[in-house]
Amino acid sequence: QKEVEQNSGPLSVPEGAIASLNCTYSDRGSQSFFWYRQYSGKSPELIMFIYSNGDKEDGRFTAQLNKASQYVSLLIRDSQPSDSATYLCAVSPDSSASKIIFGSGTRLSIRP
Amino acid sequence: GAVVSQHPSWVICKSGTSVKIECRSLDFQATTMFWYRQFPKQSLMLMATSNEGSKATYEQGVEKDKFLINHASLTLSTLTVTSAHPEDSSFYICSARGHSSGGAHLNLPDTQYFGPGTRLTVL
Repeated sequence: QKEVEQNSGPLSVPEGAIASLNCTYSDRGSQSFFWYRQYSGKSPELIMFIYSNGDKEDGRFTAQLNKASQYVSLLIRDSQPSDSATYLCAVSPDSSASKIIFGSGTRLSIRP
Repeated sequence: GAVVSQHPSWVICKSGTSVKIECRSLDFQATTMFWYRQFPKQSLMLMATSNEGSKATYEQGVEKDKFLINHASLTLSTLTVTSAHPEDSSFYICSARGHSSGGAHLNLPDTQYFGPGTRLTVL
């Protein structure tokens, strides 16, 4: 079992709709959770982080964490073509991110 | 804040040569830097973790004598690919984590901040 699992996609979503990206992790003691966006040929860019159960909103992005279910998700509202990218879920065993384990990423495509 | 640079952004070299890649944290001190490799359509693979002033810790399967890492200061780490071969062609990305320098508190989460990557092509 992979430590951080994501559906590879591609996930196709119409422009203006909500894109929902999901991630599960195996280490129940994980403390920090991150979402990175990676455009083709570029390095990852941090877009969201969450430490506590519940929802965290930042602009069009909402991260959701459920530690009991070992599940973290990212919602993108009012999806734009510029949101088309690969989204990497990342999990750290501690709060200081001494080590981060990345999922393989979900490729999101926003169709006009 | 939390800007990480890498140099060069791309390099093409002949098989058998060595290539050095630099990773710098520009506005914070990076106590720890990480080196990743990413092949096309695959996820990031951690190669090694380096702490300033000490030897790097390599992931299983990564040859430490081939991928030399030096973390000489709190803002600079280098990765040298020695005797590069075509199978070493990849996208090499560094990341850095640490605390803000100069007394300024960037109010950023403890996480890794990535450099823009270096695309290595070995002919």
